[in-house]
Amino acid sequence: GQNIDQPTEMTATEGAIVQINCTYQTSGFNGLFWYQQHAGEAPTFLSYNVLDGLEEKGRFSSFLSRSKGYSYLLLKELQMKDSASYLCAVKDSNYQLIWGAGTKLIIKP
Amino acid sequence: GAVVSQHPSRVICKSGTSVKIECRSLDFQATTMFWYRQFPKQSLMLMATSNEGSKATYEQGVEKDKFLINHASLTLSTLTVTSAHPEDSSFYICSASQGRATEAFFGQGTRLTVV
Repeated sequence: GQNIDQPTEMTATEGAIVQINCTYQTSGFNGLFWYQQHAGEAPTFLSYNVLDGLEEKGRFSSFLSRSKGYSYLLLKELQMKDSASYLCAVKDSNYQLIWGAGTKLIIKP
Repeated sequence: GAVVSQHPSRVICKSGTSVKIECRSLDFQATTMFWYRQFPKQSLMLMATSNEGSKATYEQGVEKDKFLINHASLTLSTLTVTSAHPEDSSFYICSASQGRATEAFFGQGTRLTVV
């Protein structure tokens, strides 16, 4: 079956750095996505990786290793507004998005 | 990024009535749109894939006669929850992609409460 695993919840301190991991087993691979979702709102797109390596976008970076079925989202200089759920999703061979359960990130002052 | 508009954002209806939710891609053509529902503190659950001009493809366990999906044009898909019951209360979200390998853009979501 297809499966995406990510931690249920993480806690970090304002101003610090946090890394959210995601491992996946899917039938085929056509890209990995990270989304941010605040409570009661729809997800918003953060990053897209289809090749191995690190993609940096401001305070957020995303890494992919296709051979390991592994990705992480790195958030730097954490702000209180970064408190949200972070969803990892993979497009399989049929270009269908397979979603992880999300990681709830709690930022403490 | 591309814009997807979903309406209404919030609706309260009585048991037994039907509710229609609209999803529009405002600045691109979406041959495929997706409908999700999300329960509190849970991830997105794909309900169905909506293809323009053809019947929607429903995920296992989703009643197609209860959740009617219509994709009449390249910019509009609708989800109608028929004969709604309190257990249908949930957050419904649509998304659309410009192409198969590109990111999905989400509508704002619709909070449905059935009383």
